[in-house]
Amino acid sequence: EEHLVESGGGLVQPGGSLRLSCAASGFSFSNYWMNWVRQAPGKGLMWISVTSRDGRSTYYADSVKGRFTVSRDNAKNTLYLQMDSLRADDTGVYYCVRGMSSSWFTLDYWGQGTLVTVSS
Amino acid sequence: QSALTQPRSVSGSPGQSVTISCTGTRTDVGGHNFVTWYQQLPGKAPKLIIFDVIARPSGVPARFSGSRSDNTASLTISGLQAEDEAHYFCCSYADTSTLVFGGGTKLTVL
Repeated sequence: EEHLVESGGGLVQPGGSLRLSCAASGFSFSNYWMNWVRQAPGKGLMWISVTSRDGRSTYYADSVKGRFTVSRDNAKNTLYLQMDSLRADDTGVYYCVRGMSSSWFTLDYWGQGTLVTVSS
Repeated sequence: QSALTQPRSVSGSPGQSVTISCTGTRTDVGGHNFVTWYQQLPGKAPKLIIFDVIARPSGVPARFSGSRSDNTASLTISGLQAEDEAHYFCCSYADTSTLVFGGGTKLTVL
């Protein structure tokens, strides 16, 4: 059974950095594009980023471009999100999400999320 | 990357049908066959219920169906059940190799 477990969330001051991790199991991690999606408290979903199977192709939402970096280690079945220059509006639950094998933009398995709070 | 437009809330009685709309532009909803819908139960992660505008993943009841007309996609839930009460989010692939979500719709089963 597919399983995604995020970690690394917590409280950070504005301007600070945080690195999220997502451990994958139950499927062949290296065969799938992987996404990050954020949900602000009580709000809707916002797509953040995606990385290709080998990590060579990455795409970002405009609001995080230049501040966030997605990467992966296929040997460790782990996805990462490096978040720098954090702002209050980056606060939310960050979900690690698998893209369907035929199309990365169909988000077929979601982790339970990790909460990031940006506040002084 | 403007968010897709969804109604904030809809409601219906058990057994009835409800439709949730999702309006975008020709650069997202109207320009690609890659509209998806997600159901989010309280305190849970979202779950995929419709992909490629009209397709259902295995295990999703046939009561859930998707459609599209021009720049507006729709999710219809037939034979409403109490367990369908949740938030529903649409999402579309966009021209800039990004994804854009709708603001979400809260479905209340009366």
